[in-house]
Amino acid sequence: GAGVSQTPSNKVTEKGKYVELRCDPISGHTALYWYRQSLGQGPEFLIYFQGTGAADDSGLPNDRFFAVRPEGSVSTLKIQRTERGDSAVYLCASSFSPGTHEQFFGPGTRLTVL
Amino acid sequence: GQQLNQSPQSMFIQEGEDVSMNCTSSSIFNTWLWYKQDPGEGPVLLIALYKAGELTSNGRLTAQFGITRKDSFLNISASIPSDVGIYFCAGHNTGTASKLTFGTGTRLQVTL
Repeated sequence: GAGVSQTPSNKVTEKGKYVELRCDPISGHTALYWYRQSLGQGPEFLIYFQGTGAADDSGLPNDRFFAVRPEGSVSTLKIQRTERGDSAVYLCASSFSPGTHEQFFGPGTRLTVL
Repeated sequence: GQQLNQSPQSMFIQEGEDVSMNCTSSSIFNTWLWYKQDPGEGPVLLIALYKAGELTSNGRLTAQFGITRKDSFLNISASIPSDVGIYFCAGHNTGTASKLTFGTGTRLQVTL
């Protein structure tokens, strides 16, 4: 499809485990964003990539969270030593350029930490 | 992190009625956007506003960028069942590297 895709759609893990969440942005979009959405809340910014580099990672809650985008397209959000409080929907969005405020969102990955 | 205040939190309306919701912030934004989110999906952009005082329409949707730059309003006219969902406002400032700050959401339910 032509939209942003995210895999897996659901991930259940145990406390303390490591997880990776993947995002495929819209082809040609140079800017990629990760947000986290807790139940009943709006999405909260985590990190933004322009090309391969993280231009703004101020939203990452702590050093257990890390994201990469090695070739400027697909991005992976990595969470180490997961905690129950990490349970949320992780949304990825992309835009044609950072100056374009119109961000297109994927369906999200629902992470459940038991 | 910061979340913008949206009201009402939820609303039940009858098909054909008009709907109004608003979003307020303690700080100024240069751009306001409105998104709709369906269950199990990501937010979908409805309207973008770039100038204080701007009034923009998209079909049955009309949104306004408040003069103070601290608020925005969304109106839906003649609601239909497919309008059901959660509506989020989002603000953006040029100095924050494209980060969007979202509101808490307004859940809309439409009854026949």
